[in-house]
Amino acid sequence: AQSVTQLDSQVPVFEEAPVELRCNYSSSVSVYLFWYVQYPNQGLQLLLKYLSGSTLVKGINGFEAEFNKSQTSFHLRKPSVHISDTAEYFCAVSDGGYQKVTFGTGTKLQVIP
Amino acid sequence: EPEVTQTPSHQVTQMGQEVILRCVPISNHLYFYWYRQILGQKVEFLVSFYNNEISEKSEIFDDQFSVERPDGSNFTLKIRSTKLEDSAMYFCASSYRDLSNTGELFFGEGSRLTVL
Repeated sequence: AQSVTQLDSQVPVFEEAPVELRCNYSSSVSVYLFWYVQYPNQGLQLLLKYLSGSTLVKGINGFEAEFNKSQTSFHLRKPSVHISDTAEYFCAVSDGGYQKVTFGTGTKLQVIP
Repeated sequence: EPEVTQTPSHQVTQMGQEVILRCVPISNHLYFYWYRQILGQKVEFLVSFYNNEISEKSEIFDDQFSVERPDGSNFTLKIRSTKLEDSAMYFCASSYRDLSNTGELFFGEGSRLTVL
Protein backbone atom coordinates (compact mmCIF):
# COMPACT_ATOMS: atom_id res chain seq x y z
CA ALA A 1 0.00 0.00 0.00
CA GLN A 2 1.16 3.50 -0.74
CA SER A 3 1.18 6.36 1.74
CA VAL A 4 2.49 9.88 2.08
CA THR A 5 3.61 11.74 5.18
CA GLN A 6 3.82 15.48 5.39
CA LEU A 7 5.20 16.19 8.81
CA ASP A 8 4.63 19.94 8.82
CA SER A 9 1.01 21.01 8.93
CA GLN A 10 1.92 24.71 8.82
CA VAL A 11 5.05 26.52 7.70
CA PRO A 12 5.36 30.27 8.24
CA VAL A 13 8.11 31.97 6.27
CA PHE A 14 9.04 35.56 5.55
CA GLU A 15 8.69 36.92 2.05
CA GLU A 16 11.81 36.40 -0.10
CA ALA A 17 13.13 33.73 2.27
CA PRO A 18 13.72 30.17 1.07
CA VAL A 19 11.31 27.39 2.00
CA GLU A 20 11.33 23.61 2.08
CA LEU A 21 8.16 21.57 2.50
CA ARG A 22 8.86 18.01 3.51
CA CYS A 23 7.32 14.87 2.09
CA ASN A 24 8.11 11.23 2.74
CA TYR A 25 6.41 8.34 1.02
CA SER A 26 6.14 4.61 1.29
CA SER A 27 5.30 2.21 -1.47
CA SER A 28 6.01 -1.38 -2.30
CA VAL A 29 6.63 -0.69 -5.99
CA SER A 30 7.97 2.04 -8.23
CA VAL A 31 6.30 5.32 -7.56
CA TYR A 32 5.23 8.44 -9.27
CA LEU A 33 5.35 11.53 -7.07
CA PHE A 34 3.52 14.81 -7.29
CA TRP A 35 3.12 18.14 -5.57
CA TYR A 36 -0.22 19.92 -5.87
CA VAL A 37 -1.10 23.40 -4.68
CA GLN A 38 -4.52 24.53 -3.49
CA TYR A 39 -5.17 28.24 -3.25
CA PRO A 40 -8.06 29.35 -1.01
CA ASN A 41 -11.44 28.31 -2.40
CA GLN A 42 -9.89 26.76 -5.47
CA GLY A 43 -9.19 23.29 -6.81
CA LEU A 44 -5.91 21.43 -6.93
CA GLN A 45 -3.27 22.50 -9.39
CA LEU A 46 -0.27 20.38 -10.32
CA LEU A 47 3.01 22.05 -9.37
CA LEU A 48 5.38 19.34 -10.53
CA LYS A 49 5.74 15.61 -10.91
CA TYR A 50 8.38 12.92 -10.88
CA LEU A 51 7.82 9.95 -13.15
CA SER A 52 11.37 8.87 -13.99
CA GLY A 53 14.74 10.27 -15.07
CA SER A 54 16.40 13.22 -13.37
CA THR A 55 15.77 13.27 -9.65
CA LEU A 56 15.57 17.08 -9.60
CA VAL A 57 12.26 18.18 -10.96
CA LYS A 58 11.37 21.76 -11.76
CA GLY A 59 7.80 22.94 -11.68
CA ILE A 60 5.73 26.05 -12.08
CA ASN A 61 6.10 29.26 -10.07
CA GLY A 62 9.80 28.63 -9.36
CA PHE A 63 9.27 25.49 -7.29
CA GLU A 64 11.45 22.41 -7.53
CA ALA A 65 11.59 19.04 -5.79
CA GLU A 66 14.16 16.34 -5.42
CA PHE A 67 13.36 12.64 -5.48
CA ASN A 68 15.53 10.75 -3.02
CA LYS A 69 14.92 7.03 -3.26
CA SER A 70 17.20 6.04 -0.38
CA GLN A 71 15.45 8.43 1.98
CA THR A 72 12.03 7.91 0.37
CA SER A 73 11.58 11.65 0.23
CA PHE A 74 10.31 14.20 -2.25
CA HIS A 75 10.79 17.58 -0.59
CA LEU A 76 9.54 20.73 -2.27
CA ARG A 77 11.74 23.84 -2.31
CA LYS A 78 11.65 27.42 -3.46
CA PRO A 79 14.64 29.74 -3.06
CA SER A 80 12.60 32.90 -2.53
CA VAL A 81 8.90 32.89 -1.70
CA HIS A 82 6.33 35.51 -2.58
CA ILE A 83 3.12 36.50 -0.83
CA SER A 84 1.19 34.85 -3.66
CA ASP A 85 2.70 31.48 -2.69
CA THR A 86 0.47 31.43 0.40
CA ALA A 87 -1.56 28.26 -0.13
CA GLU A 88 -1.83 24.65 0.94
CA TYR A 89 0.57 22.20 -0.66
CA PHE A 90 -0.14 18.51 -1.04
CA CYS A 91 2.37 15.80 -1.76
CA ALA A 92 0.93 12.75 -3.53
CA VAL A 93 2.04 9.33 -4.70
CA SER A 94 0.79 6.88 -7.27
CA ASP A 95 1.90 3.31 -7.81
CA GLY A 96 2.63 2.57 -11.44
CA GLY A 97 -0.33 1.10 -13.26
CA TYR A 98 -2.91 2.06 -10.69
CA GLN A 99 -5.52 4.76 -11.02
CA LYS A 100 -5.38 5.96 -7.47
CA VAL A 101 -3.36 8.93 -6.24
CA THR A 102 -2.83 9.04 -2.49
CA PHE A 103 -2.47 12.48 -0.98
CA GLY A 104 -0.70 13.62 2.13
CA THR A 105 -2.45 15.70 4.78
CA GLY A 106 -1.13 18.94 3.32
CA THR A 107 1.15 21.74 4.47
CA LYS A 108 -0.15 25.27 4.78
CA LEU A 109 2.48 27.73 3.66
CA GLN A 110 2.00 31.15 5.20
CA VAL A 111 4.19 33.83 3.66
CA ILE A 112 4.67 36.77 6.00
CA PRO A 113 5.27 40.22 4.50
CA GLU B 1 -6.71 26.24 -21.77
CA PRO B 2 -8.97 23.22 -21.36
CA GLU B 3 -10.29 22.69 -17.86
CA VAL B 4 -12.47 20.43 -15.78
CA THR B 5 -15.70 22.13 -14.77
CA GLN B 6 -17.94 21.15 -11.89
CA THR B 7 -21.48 22.08 -10.92
CA PRO B 8 -22.85 23.11 -8.55
CA SER B 9 -20.10 24.98 -6.75
CA HIS B 10 -22.03 24.65 -3.50
CA GLN B 11 -25.04 22.53 -2.58
CA VAL B 12 -26.88 22.40 0.69
CA THR B 13 -29.14 19.42 1.28
CA GLN B 14 -31.08 17.71 4.02
CA MET B 15 -29.88 14.41 5.42
CA GLY B 16 -31.38 11.50 3.51
CA GLN B 17 -31.79 13.39 0.27
CA GLU B 18 -30.22 12.33 -3.01
CA VAL B 19 -27.52 14.53 -4.49
CA ILE B 20 -25.97 14.53 -7.94
CA LEU B 21 -22.69 16.32 -8.53
CA ARG B 22 -21.80 17.00 -12.11
CA CYS B 23 -18.49 17.26 -13.88
CA VAL B 24 -17.42 17.98 -17.43
CA PRO B 25 -13.93 16.52 -17.88
CA ILE B 26 -11.46 17.75 -20.46
CA SER B 27 -12.84 16.63 -23.80
CA ASN B 28 -10.13 14.21 -25.00
CA HIS B 29 -9.51 12.65 -21.59
CA LEU B 30 -10.30 8.99 -21.05
CA TYR B 31 -9.94 8.49 -17.29
CA PHE B 32 -12.21 10.12 -14.75
CA TYR B 33 -12.06 10.35 -10.99
CA TRP B 34 -13.81 11.63 -7.92
CA TYR B 35 -11.96 12.70 -4.81
CA ARG B 36 -13.28 14.34 -1.67
CA GLN B 37 -11.85 16.56 1.02
CA ILE B 38 -13.60 16.82 4.36
CA LEU B 39 -12.93 20.24 5.88
CA GLY B 40 -9.46 20.34 7.41
CA GLN B 41 -8.57 16.85 6.27
CA LYS B 42 -6.66 15.37 3.38
CA VAL B 43 -7.89 14.74 -0.13
CA GLU B 44 -9.21 11.18 -0.40
CA PHE B 45 -9.67 9.01 -3.45
CA LEU B 46 -13.22 7.82 -4.07
CA VAL B 47 -13.38 6.20 -7.47
CA SER B 48 -11.81 5.99 -10.91
CA PHE B 49 -13.72 5.33 -14.12
CA TYR B 50 -12.51 4.17 -17.52
CA ASN B 51 -14.18 2.71 -20.56
CA ASN B 52 -17.61 3.16 -19.00
CA GLU B 53 -16.90 1.21 -15.88
CA ILE B 54 -15.39 1.66 -12.46
CA SER B 55 -11.71 0.67 -12.53
CA GLU B 56 -10.98 1.20 -8.85
CA LYS B 57 -12.84 2.40 -5.78
CA SER B 58 -12.01 3.08 -2.17
CA GLU B 59 -13.72 1.78 0.95
CA ILE B 60 -15.47 5.15 1.22
CA PHE B 61 -17.29 4.47 -2.05
CA ASP B 62 -20.04 2.24 -0.66
CA ASP B 63 -23.46 1.36 -2.05
CA GLN B 64 -24.70 4.89 -1.39
CA PHE B 65 -22.39 6.21 -4.09
CA SER B 66 -22.58 5.71 -7.82
CA VAL B 67 -20.95 7.24 -10.87
CA GLU B 68 -22.16 7.55 -14.39
CA ARG B 69 -21.11 8.96 -17.71
CA PRO B 70 -24.58 9.49 -19.19
CA ASP B 71 -23.39 11.09 -22.41
CA GLY B 72 -20.11 11.89 -24.10
CA SER B 73 -19.28 14.84 -21.91
CA ASN B 74 -20.68 14.61 -18.37
CA PHE B 75 -19.42 12.53 -15.48
CA THR B 76 -21.66 12.43 -12.42
CA LEU B 77 -21.38 11.36 -8.81
CA LYS B 78 -24.63 10.42 -7.10
CA ILE B 79 -25.06 10.05 -3.38
CA ARG B 80 -28.30 8.16 -2.85
CA SER B 81 -29.15 9.09 0.72
CA THR B 82 -26.86 11.71 2.15
CA LYS B 83 -25.45 11.55 5.66
CA LEU B 84 -23.98 14.32 7.77
CA GLU B 85 -20.52 12.86 7.26
CA ASP B 86 -20.85 13.26 3.49
CA SER B 87 -20.33 16.99 3.95
CA ALA B 88 -17.13 17.72 2.07
CA MET B 89 -15.61 19.29 -1.01
CA TYR B 90 -15.88 16.87 -3.91
CA PHE B 91 -13.31 17.15 -6.66
CA CYS B 92 -13.67 15.72 -10.12
CA ALA B 93 -10.49 14.98 -12.07
CA SER B 94 -9.60 13.61 -15.46
CA SER B 95 -6.50 12.38 -17.23
CA TYR B 96 -5.67 11.56 -20.82
CA ARG B 97 -3.72 8.44 -20.15
CA ASP B 98 -3.24 5.91 -17.42
CA LEU B 99 -1.45 7.51 -14.50
CA SER B 100 1.58 5.28 -15.10
CA ASN B 101 1.99 6.90 -18.50
CA THR B 102 1.73 10.64 -18.05
CA GLY B 103 0.84 10.75 -14.39
CA GLU B 104 -1.15 13.94 -14.41
CA LEU B 105 -4.61 14.56 -13.06
CA PHE B 106 -6.47 17.72 -13.95
CA PHE B 107 -8.80 18.78 -11.16
CA GLY B 108 -11.93 20.85 -11.19
CA GLU B 109 -12.53 23.58 -8.64
CA GLY B 110 -14.74 21.37 -6.54
CA SER B 111 -18.34 21.13 -5.41
CA ARG B 112 -18.91 21.86 -1.76
CA LEU B 113 -21.65 19.66 -0.30
CA THR B 114 -23.20 20.61 3.02
CA VAL B 115 -25.57 18.07 4.58
CA LEU B 116 -27.83 19.42 7.33
